[in-house]
Amino acid sequence: DVVMTQSPLSLPVTLGQPASISCRSSQSLVYSDGNTYLNWFQQRPGQSPRRLIYKVSNRDSGVPDRFSGSGSGTDFTLIISRVEAEDVGVYYCMQGTHWPRTFGQGTKVEIK
Amino acid sequence: QVNLVQSGAEVKKPGASVKVSCKASEYSFTSYTMHWVRQAPGQRLEWMGWINAGNGNTKYSQKFQGRVTITRDTSASTAYMDLSSLTSEDTAVYYCARGDYDSGVDYWGQGTLVTVSS
Repeated sequence: DVVMTQSPLSLPVTLGQPASISCRSSQSLVYSDGNTYLNWFQQRPGQSPRRLIYKVSNRDSGVPDRFSGSGSGTDFTLIISRVEAEDVGVYYCMQGTHWPRTFGQGTKVEIK
Repeated sequence: QVNLVQSGAEVKKPGASVKVSCKASEYSFTSYTMHWVRQAPGQRLEWMGWINAGNGNTKYSQKFQGRVTITRDTSASTAYMDLSSLTSEDTAVYYCARGDYDSGVDYWGQGTLVTVSS
């Protein structure tokens, strides 16, 4: 199975400051069709996950533009440009290239 | 707005089976896939399997092979996840999540808590 490793696991951030989450995969996530199926999800306390980013860098409809994704191959990053109180929660990366699909351990974002 | 509504919480004894349903609305059910993902307390999200809602083809994680069965009823726009031979380690919140062929998992159900306890 492809192992997804996120860092850090805990991220205390000051309101208005940026936050960066890394996600590394044990194998390349480039699929045979040329696409890279790496998605990012936000899970607020007590809620289901919500997708923020698909295929590395495409923001979902309704997702604030302070969220951005980047990366390639095995190395990916989610950036929140200016953290707001509503961004508190756990963030997961997920790969959709290989079977079985796998998730990172999650990064808990909290306000300092 | 895509809506996935799951069945209610369950309490099961070790060795029993559980069947969780996921009713989809506000989109063409057979044009997407449905994934099942679980989240045990304090653990990461864990992918269990997937069904092509159009043709019924399935794919399961090796970890659950032989214990999990995912089916669908197209007339009811509902997917089901059946997990057998339950142990306390299966205590978790189980989610269904829609899969888009181009972008992958997108919308999630509200989750169903399954508690396995004697």
